[in-house]
Amino acid sequence: QKEVEQDPGPLSVPEGAIVSLNCTYSNSAFQYFMWYRQYSRKGPELLMYTYSSGNKEDGRFTAQVDKSSKYISLFIRDSQPSDSATYLCAMSAYTGNQFYFGTGTSLTVIP
Amino acid sequence: ETGVTQSPTHLIKTRGQQVTLRCSSQSGHNTVSWYQQALGQGPQFIFQYYREEENGRGNFPPRFSGLQFPNYSSELNVNALELDDSALYLCASSASPSGGQETQYFGPGTRLLVL
Repeated sequence: QKEVEQDPGPLSVPEGAIVSLNCTYSNSAFQYFMWYRQYSRKGPELLMYTYSSGNKEDGRFTAQVDKSSKYISLFIRDSQPSDSATYLCAMSAYTGNQFYFGTGTSLTVIP
Repeated sequence: ETGVTQSPTHLIKTRGQQVTLRCSSQSGHNTVSWYQQALGQGPQFIFQYYREEENGRGNFPPRFSGLQFPNYSSELNVNALELDDSALYLCASSASPSGGQETQYFGPGTRLLVL
């Protein structure tokens, strides 16, 4: 079993839709949770960084962590064509020094 | 503040050759981590360098090695290249080696093709 599971999609939505992206994990030691956006043939760009359970909002993006269910989500409101990219979840433990990534979900927002 | 830079952007090698990839960390960051991202996959941790020493390693063979220099820049060396080494190699810098406490910022990557 992989440490981090993420539905690869692809996901296609109309402009203005609310997008929900999800990851599950198996390691209860994970305490830090990140979402990265990666455009084609580019490096990942940090979108959201959260610690512990709860919600964190930044503009159109909301990150949600449920440690009891080992489940994290990223919501994108009022999606735009420029949001079309691959979204990677990543997580790490307090004492660890590596990030564990999901496989990424490919999102296309249709104008 | 300068971001993470990597060179070269693209590289083509043949099986059995050796390759060196380079990374300059973000200003103020002393830790560099290297990841391999195969097509359609998430990045996989290769190793991390902190204060010029290897500080943790993922499930990669010894033919993957690295260096960190006093200015915190870093090199990834891969010997005896195999076809499966074809991937995007990502460098990430952070302000400390502790996972998550200081998040990692990625460079644009070096795309390696092994023929």
